[in-house]
Amino acid sequence: DADVTQTPRNRITKTGKRIMLECSQTKGHDRMYWYRQDPGLGLQLIYYSFDVKDINKGEISDGYSVSRQAQAKFSLSLESAIPNQTALYFCATSDSSGTQYNEQFFGPGTRLTVL
Amino acid sequence: QQQVKQSPQSLIVQKGGISIINCAYENTAFDYFPWYQQFPGKGPALLIAIRPDVSEKKEGRFTISFNKSAKQFSLHIMDSQPGDSATYFCAASWGSTLGRLYFGRGTQLTVWP
Repeated sequence: DADVTQTPRNRITKTGKRIMLECSQTKGHDRMYWYRQDPGLGLQLIYYSFDVKDINKGEISDGYSVSRQAQAKFSLSLESAIPNQTALYFCATSDSSGTQYNEQFFGPGTRLTVL
Repeated sequence: QQQVKQSPQSLIVQKGGISIINCAYENTAFDYFPWYQQFPGKGPALLIAIRPDVSEKKEGRFTISFNKSAKQFSLHIMDSQPGDSATYFCAASWGSTLGRLYFGRGTQLTVWP
C-alpha cells in the first residue's frame, strides 16, 4: 500500500462548487503539505502543517482552506472553485525528527478540472 | 518573487550524453539544496541533495555542483539514459523554515535513444 494516498485521483467540477481533496499517510510523519503544480510554474506551496494544531499559509493560499483532522490526515478545500484552479495537486509529508533537512514524500497527485 | 530560478525549462539530450540543469538563488540563508525527480503520472521524489559546506556531491550518475559565492547549483546527469526522462525540480530551504522547500519551476528532460 502507498505511504501517502490522495483521493480522488481525478475530479471534474463546475465553477462555484465546493470541493475537498483528501490526503492520508501511514508514514507516521508529523508535517504535511499541499502543493499545486501547473505546467511551467513548478510546485507552489498552498498550505502546510507541522502538527495537528499548526496550520500555515503558503505562497498561494487565496481561495483555498485546509483542515488537519488527525496527524495522518490533511484535507484541502476549494470553497468556490474557479477555472484557474484547474491544476495538479500534490500532498506531501515529512518527519521533523532528526535534522531540519527532512525529505518530503509526495502522494500520487489529484488532477482537478474546473469547468 | 521566485526564490529559486531554474533553467532550462526543457532539455533534450542524446543517450549517453551529459544533462545539465542549473539553479540560482538570492537568499543567502538557504542551507539545503535538494533535487527532486518526477516521472509522468507520479509525485516528485527526492533524487539527491547537498548542503553548502561541500562543493560537490555525487551519487552514481548524478552529481550536484554547488557554487556558494555565485549562489548557484546544478545537477549533472552523466551517461544520460532514456529512463532518466522526467521533470527535475531544484529546491532550497533553511533551518528556520523547519523544512519548508522553495521549488524552481522545473526542467523537462527528454533523453533520446
